[in-house]
Amino acid sequence: EAGVAQSPRYKIIEKRQSVAFWCNPISGHATLYWYQQILGQGPKLLIQFQNNGVVDDSQLPKDRFSAERLKGVDSTLKIQPAKLEDSAVYLCASSLGGIGTDTQYFGPGTRLTVL
Amino acid sequence: EDQVTQSPEALRLQEGESSSLNCSYTVSGLRGLFWYRQDPGKGPEFLFTLYSAGEEKEKERLKATLTKKESFLHITAPKPEDSATYLCAVQAWDSGGGADGLTFGKGTHLIIQP
Repeated sequence: EAGVAQSPRYKIIEKRQSVAFWCNPISGHATLYWYQQILGQGPKLLIQFQNNGVVDDSQLPKDRFSAERLKGVDSTLKIQPAKLEDSAVYLCASSLGGIGTDTQYFGPGTRLTVL
Repeated sequence: EDQVTQSPEALRLQEGESSSLNCSYTVSGLRGLFWYRQDPGKGPEFLFTLYSAGEEKEKERLKATLTKKESFLHITAPKPEDSATYLCAVQAWDSGGGADGLTFGKGTHLIIQP
């Protein structure tokens, strides 16, 4: 079974530029998450989708970050404009979304460096 | 607000030297406590889910246990390939009966020397 796919794996941009990340979850997984992991920290949830609807975006800096999940499958996360403090690894995770066991499986992440 | 604190931040062991990693947590309503392993440059890899106090799970040299306030990851006779960062996370029930996203600790960086 294929895992969570993310691209690109690495991105370097100047501050105030825009950037987008793509995620393809495990087939059949209804719930999709985006996390931000700053060096030396644990991942922090940015946004959670159930199918193509937003469940929780309370920690998403909405003045510069946006995310969408069209057709309830792939998702994109965008930052516009980027700041130095946005340098981090952006992780996508997916889960079945059922009431019982709901393990989240993570992709390899996109490492963003803002100069 | 859900909180997770892991200790120690870093741990260096000799091969074969058993030890335990600690995860203390506060959560409004625990749906599950998760342990992940993260290797450099990779995403977290799922290890265990624990749902209720007293529960234990094992996988090879790893054993996870859960109480009402903390979880332990016991590593027995570790090998160099067990070197990684171990992350603990809690998941709460949301208001609609579904699941919140995970709240992670900062992790324990484990080094096993041959």
